[in-house]
Amino acid sequence: DIQMTQSPASLSVSVGETVTITCRASENIYSNLAWYQQKQGKSPQLLVYAATNLADGVPSRFSGSGSGTQYSLKINSLQSEDFGSYYCQHFWGTPWTFGGGTKLEIK
Amino acid sequence: QVQLQQSGPELVKPGASVKMSCKASGYTFTDYVISWVKQRTGQGLEWIGEIYPGSGSTYYNEKFKGKATLTADKSSNTAYMQLSSLTSEDSAVYFCARRQLGLRGAMDYWGQGTSVTVSS
Repeated sequence: DIQMTQSPASLSVSVGETVTITCRASENIYSNLAWYQQKQGKSPQLLVYAATNLADGVPSRFSGSGSGTQYSLKINSLQSEDFGSYYCQHFWGTPWTFGGGTKLEIK
Repeated sequence: QVQLQQSGPELVKPGASVKMSCKASGYTFTDYVISWVKQRTGQGLEWIGEIYPGSGSTYYNEKFKGKATLTADKSSNTAYMQLSSLTSEDSAVYFCARRQLGLRGAMDYWGQGTSVTVSS
């Protein structure tokens, strides 16, 4: 199974700051990676697919990058509605494992 | 608009089984995959398995083989997941999600989740 190592596990930031979350795969996943946002008590929502493509309706302050085994999600000028948990997930051979998650909190 | 409507919360006894549903609307049910994901309270996400409703083909995470059984009813656009021999480790929220092969497999729509509590 491909392991997804996500960091950091938690992050305390202020509105307006820029944050970067990273995900490292245990082997090359050829950009078959998605990022999700999950608010407390809600279902996850797709942010980025195929490593770099924003899903419909996702603000342009979000961006995804990376290739091979290393991927990142960047959020520019953090807004209050961006706080919550973020997960990466690969799609290169089942099981489609998720990263452990990053909890983004208000400083 | 695309919607996945999941069945309500379940309180079940240890050793019992539970079957939950995920009713799809707003798209052609047989054109997309339905995946199931587990989330224990305060924990991360875990992929259980998925079903191709058009063919009925299923794929499971090895960890959930023997625990989860996935089915789909094309006539009602509904996917089902049955969990058997329940223990406290199965207490969690279970999500269904549509997997979009055109988006390199990403899960673009999610149900609201079904909470399962295993308790005597």
